[in-house]
Amino acid sequence: SAVISQKPSRDICQRGTSLTIQCQVDSQVTMMFWYRQQPGQSLTLIATANQGSEATYESGFVIDKFPISRPNLTFSTLTVSNMSPEDSSIYLCSVAGTGEGETQYFGPGTRLLVL
Amino acid sequence: AQRVTQPEKLLSVFKGAPVELKCNYSYSGSPELFWYVQYSRQRLQLLLRHISRESIKGFTADLNKGETSFHLKKPFAQEEDSAMYYCALHSGGYQKVTFGTGTKLQVIP
Repeated sequence: SAVISQKPSRDICQRGTSLTIQCQVDSQVTMMFWYRQQPGQSLTLIATANQGSEATYESGFVIDKFPISRPNLTFSTLTVSNMSPEDSSIYLCSVAGTGEGETQYFGPGTRLLVL
Repeated sequence: AQRVTQPEKLLSVFKGAPVELKCNYSYSGSPELFWYVQYSRQRLQLLLRHISRESIKGFTADLNKGETSFHLKKPFAQEEDSAMYYCALHSGGYQKVTFGTGTKLQVIP
């Protein structure tokens, strides 16, 4: 298993500003994932972050809006840039277990409100 | 494209009644299906996975490839089962996960 922490746990931001969310894992992992969970919606994958390479973004998400860093095997950041109220959401970091049938482990999430 | 469908947003049952949370999937490959649960004020966590054929907290789920379903069942609901349940499909070499929209289970005392 993996223990994941996120900072901040919540924030209220003004539109047009940017927020960087940090994700720390207690063990080295190859792949880290960033999800968004909008109010009343399911989790949607934003991107997959590999150490030493550029993140892979899902359809509808772009690097300019959600730049990601992955400086080492235990840490990643997601920045929500030029925020608007539509970005109000919970942002979750997760890591994958290894091997067939392994689960994903999730962080506690960062609750973001954009005014 | 892969898709996971959970038709019920809310399911209310009385304590002691049977529970069935429905999940259907669409995927061209060999699916790996999971149920995740999120209790109030807690993080999302794994409940069970089809490959393990396990029973966790009295819950079971059988993968039915013919019906492309992975329904979650429990014979007797308990109040502590009240939570949000997500069916998820894992695919791809990097464990890409597609989540259903979730079903809120409310167990009435």
